Amino acid sequence: DTGVSQDPRHKITKRGQNVTFRCDPISEHNRLYWYRQTLGQGPEFLTYFQNEAQLEKSRLLSDRFSAERPKGSFSTLEIQRTEQGDSAMYLCASSPKATNEKLFFGSGTQLSVL
Amino acid sequence: AQSVAQPEDQVNVAEGNPLTVKCTYSVSGNPYLFWYVQYPNRGLQFLLKYITGDNLVKGSYGFEAEFNKSQTSFHLKKPSALVSDSALYFCAVRDGGSNYQLIWGAGTKLIIKP
Repeated sequence: DTGVSQDPRHKITKRGQNVTFRCDPISEHNRLYWYRQTLGQGPEFLTYFQNEAQLEKSRLLSDRFSAERPKGSFSTLEIQRTEQGDSAMYLCASSPKATNEKLFFGSGTQLSVL
Repeated sequence: AQSVAQPEDQVNVAEGNPLTVKCTYSVSGNPYLFWYVQYPNRGLQFLLKYITGDNLVKGSYGFEAEFNKSQTSFHLKKPSALVSDSALYFCAVRDGGSNYQLIWGAGTKLIIKP
């Protein structure tokens, strides 16, 4: 089953370091989403791609966060100068164009900033 | 502003009994409503959605949800609970006339006791 895969599963970093996460969506899906989830909360929208175009970005997203999807396939999410408040589970999801409301999620990357 | 409320942090049900997980929402336009389930160490999985049509929506694993426009609710139900239904359940909403962002509730932990 080639679902949505995320790498790494866990990342521990020191405050001030940069981190990059990767998401490989289901191959035929052209829509890709990044969410952030903290304990006891639902996912919080970060950004959305349709193919390689970043169509939407949360107003709450700091300038330290950037995401790319250069060839419309995999995506990367980079956090620069990490802060302890960035500690969370980062979720990637994809969806096909025809049924864009049903999201397929990866297992997430758990980030711990020390 | 869009919002979702899941008033119960945890719901406890005996196996074989009916279960209900509550969700209320607020959107300015027509709501698109969703339920997702999250099992430990696994990604979020789509259960069901309401876009338009019948107020009773059937989904995966025997779950169903009832859309009530006057009460702005979308409660998740199952006639007979299984121990394997124990998981974290999230309700989400999107304003049908707006962007692609899903707004998520904080989640309800469902515990089914044998």
